[in-house]
Amino acid sequence: EVQLVQSGAEVKKPGESLRISCKGSGYSFTNYWITWVRQMPGKGLEWMGRIDPTDSYTYYSPSFQGHVTFSADKSISTAYLQWSTLKASDTAIYYCARQFSVAGPFDYWGQGTLVTVSS
Amino acid sequence: QSVLTQPPSTSGTPGQRVTISCSGSSSNIGSNTVNWYQQLPGTAPKLLIYSNNQRPSGVPDRFSGSKSGTSASLAISGLQSEDEADYYCAAWDDSLNGYVFGTGTKVTVL
Repeated sequence: EVQLVQSGAEVKKPGESLRISCKGSGYSFTNYWITWVRQMPGKGLEWMGRIDPTDSYTYYSPSFQGHVTFSADKSISTAYLQWSTLKASDTAIYYCARQFSVAGPFDYWGQGTLVTVSS
Repeated sequence: QSVLTQPPSTSGTPGQRVTISCSGSSSNIGSNTVNWYQQLPGTAPKLLIYSNNQRPSGVPDRFSGSKSGTSASLAISGLQSEDEADYYCAAWDDSLNGYVFGTGTKVTVL
């Protein structure tokens, strides 16, 4: 069974750093891109970008370039989303999802990680 | 901001047919396939329709998708209470070189 399991909810202060994770199982982790999607409270879905776990090649949406970092460790089938300096506006649910091709659908999703940034 | 436009909401009674429109442009829907996602309350999105009109295994055949030009539609036939959710269209955008989601439509079952 294909699964993407994300790390638990986080509460952080502005200016702090954070890394959340997404662990894949039930499939060959390096055969699919991992994409990240943000959902701010009460809002719609926003594509943040993707990473190829094979070589850690990344592509960021311009809206998120420079503010987040994607990484992956294929040896443990895990992808990461990282912030070095959190802002209150980063408060959202973050989803990882699996994608077979560059423009293809996201066929399996993680359960989401709620990140709350508040002083 | 979203470049794919959907109606904010729609509703129907059990058994009815409802449709959700998704309007885009030549750089997204007009030149790439459309996918639809269902997000039940408090849960992660789920792939409902891919490549304009294909259903993943396990998705009931009362869900159907279509595309014409720069617009797409999702139809739900025989509406059921468990279909109450938010629905998002999505496609790759060649101009933005990124994946874009629709604004989302909330379906209410009366």
